Amino acid sequence: DIQLTQSPSFLSASVGDRVTITCRASQVISSYLAWYQHKPGKAPKVLIYATSTLQSGVPSRFSGSGTGTEFTLTISSLQPEDFATYYCQQVNSYPRVTFGGGTKVEIK
Amino acid sequence: QVNLMESGGGVVQPGRSLRLSCAASGITFSSHAMHWVRQAPGKGLEWVAVIWNDGSNRYYSDSVKGRFTISRDNSKTTLYLQMDSLRAEDTAVYYCVRAAYDKYQFFFDYWGLGTLVTVSS
Repeated sequence: DIQLTQSPSFLSASVGDRVTITCRASQVISSYLAWYQHKPGKAPKVLIYATSTLQSGVPSRFSGSGTGTEFTLTISSLQPEDFATYYCQQVNSYPRVTFGGGTKVEIK
Repeated sequence: QVNLMESGGGVVQPGRSLRLSCAASGITFSSHAMHWVRQAPGKGLEWVAVIWNDGSNRYYSDSVKGRFTISRDNSKTTLYLQMDSLRAEDTAVYYCVRAAYDKYQFFFDYWGLGTLVTVSS
């Protein structure tokens, strides 16, 4: 199975900060990576797929990059509604997909 | 408007069975593969199972293979998860998820709110 390691697992940031989350894969997955945002009691929401393609309706302050085994999700200017947990997902081995452990973004 | 609504969760004893349902509306249900994903308390997301749009193929995670069965009824736009021989470690919120395809790869574009399954004596 392909393992995904996210870092950090927790981060504290202020509104307006630039935030970067890293996802490392245990083997090469090309560009087969997506990012999701999850808030308590709500359905997870896809932000980015194919490493860098922004899902329709997602604000442009979210961006994704990377290739091979290392990927990043960047929020250029953190907004109050962005405080949530973020997960990366590899789809290289679809349909047997795996998720990273999650990064919880909290208010400083 | 897309809606995926899970139901059927509850408290069940170890070794017993439970069947989850997911009623879909606002989507072309029969055109898409559907998945179940779960989240145990305080843990991350874990993929559970998938069924092809026409039901021709089904795949399971190693943790549920042989105990869970995924199925669908396209005429009722409903997805199911039959869970047998339940264990404490199956305790989780179970999400019904639609798979979309773009840029030559899949991703999960619609999720339900989930239904909580608690396995406890």
